[in-house]
Amino acid sequence: GNSVTQMEGPVTLSEEAFLTINCTYTATGYPSLFWYVQYPGEGLQLLLKATKADDKGSNKGFEATYRKETTSFHLEKGSVQVSDSAVYFCALNNNAGNMLTFGGGTRLMVKP
Amino acid sequence: SQTIHQWPATLVQPVGSPLSLECTVEGTSNPNLYWYRQAAGRGLQLLFYSVGIGQISSEVPQNLSASRPQDRQFILSSKKLLLSDSGFYLCAWGAGAFFGQGTRLTVV
Repeated sequence: GNSVTQMEGPVTLSEEAFLTINCTYTATGYPSLFWYVQYPGEGLQLLLKATKADDKGSNKGFEATYRKETTSFHLEKGSVQVSDSAVYFCALNNNAGNMLTFGGGTRLMVKP
Repeated sequence: SQTIHQWPATLVQPVGSPLSLECTVEGTSNPNLYWYRQAAGRGLQLLFYSVGIGQISSEVPQNLSASRPQDRQFILSSKKLLLSDSGFYLCAWGAGAFFGQGTRLTVV
């Protein structure tokens, strides 16, 4: 079956620090990969996605590259801000079932 | 543009009471619709999905049910709530490309 594994949080960083949140997956076929962000008290927002191997998704300074050889989709940002504090979810869509499988989420806390 | 509405935003219900959460989408037709639950401090779990009117698939056995009476309406229900039904419920369409704002349900 499909599964997504994320690094456990919380991840605490100072403002302007470099961010990496690891995500690895197990899936049949050729899934699409997603990162979602959930700000406190809100629903999920799509942050970025990649639909095939070696694609790089990017948005708001965040990036993630679809690495099929390592089955990974790590989220990175060069310089985090306090406003980036949120919970980040990695997810995959195996297309055949057309539904998302989520990782457990990683809470990011950025201190000024 | 596509939008998704979910209500209510928060709900406190006693154990044994019924539940009805509603989700509607605009700006699209025949969407795939999904209900997820996020338990406190945990990830998201897919509860139900629907590919069309009257078509419901359940991913996990539970105390909840779902219905799709109209093309762009998806309802999550329970006849008798349990304490373990507490959580944050999210409606989504298009394989999760768009999420509603969520309903925080507390069963007391």
